[in-house]
Amino acid sequence: EPEVTQTPSHQVTQMGQEVILRCVPISNHLYFYWYRQILGQKVEFLVSFYNNEISEKSEIFDDQFSVERPDGSNFTLKIRSTKLEDSAMYFCASSGTGENEAFFGQGTRLTVV
Amino acid sequence: QKEVEQDPGPLSVPEGAIVSLNCTYSNSAFQYFMWYRQYSRKGPELLMYTYSSGNKEDGRFTAQVDKSSKYISLFIRDSQPSDSATYLCALMKTSYDKVIFGPGTSLSVIP
Repeated sequence: EPEVTQTPSHQVTQMGQEVILRCVPISNHLYFYWYRQILGQKVEFLVSFYNNEISEKSEIFDDQFSVERPDGSNFTLKIRSTKLEDSAMYFCASSGTGENEAFFGQGTRLTVV
Repeated sequence: QKEVEQDPGPLSVPEGAIVSLNCTYSNSAFQYFMWYRQYSRKGPELLMYTYSSGNKEDGRFTAQVDKSSKYISLFIRDSQPSDSATYLCALMKTSYDKVIFGPGTSLSVIP
């Protein structure tokens, strides 16, 4: 069964460092998303991406965040200068080609120390 | 009023019980309704997806949507210990829109 894959599963970084979280969406999906879940809180939308551009972003997604689809298969989230409050699970999701539903990856646990 | 609300639980039931999970929302613009299951430190797993009001059944799971009351439910029949997880109701306004999640209800099924 097709699935969204994310790497790494866990990343520890020092405050102020840049991190790149990677995702391989389901092939032939056209819509891509990043969500965040701080421990004990609900899953929150960060950004959606379609046709090689951002289609919507939340207020959380400030200038420290960027997304890219560098090739035909990967979708990345970059945090330029990490803060302690960026510590969370980050989930990638994809949907498309007749499937409205969003399918989620297993997440990357980001710990900023 | 919060956009999406769920009873946080935890809800604890014996194996074999029927479980009812509920969710209310405030914005009538939502048209797509989902239930996701999330195990600890894992990604949300899609269980049920419905469009507009009505019922949908898939195995032991039944989803009900009442748009007039802005109320959605998930019923689990013959609950199993493997059903122990957090259940997230989730909504979208349009196709391929961002998903708005509820805070989740924690369920424990005791053998």
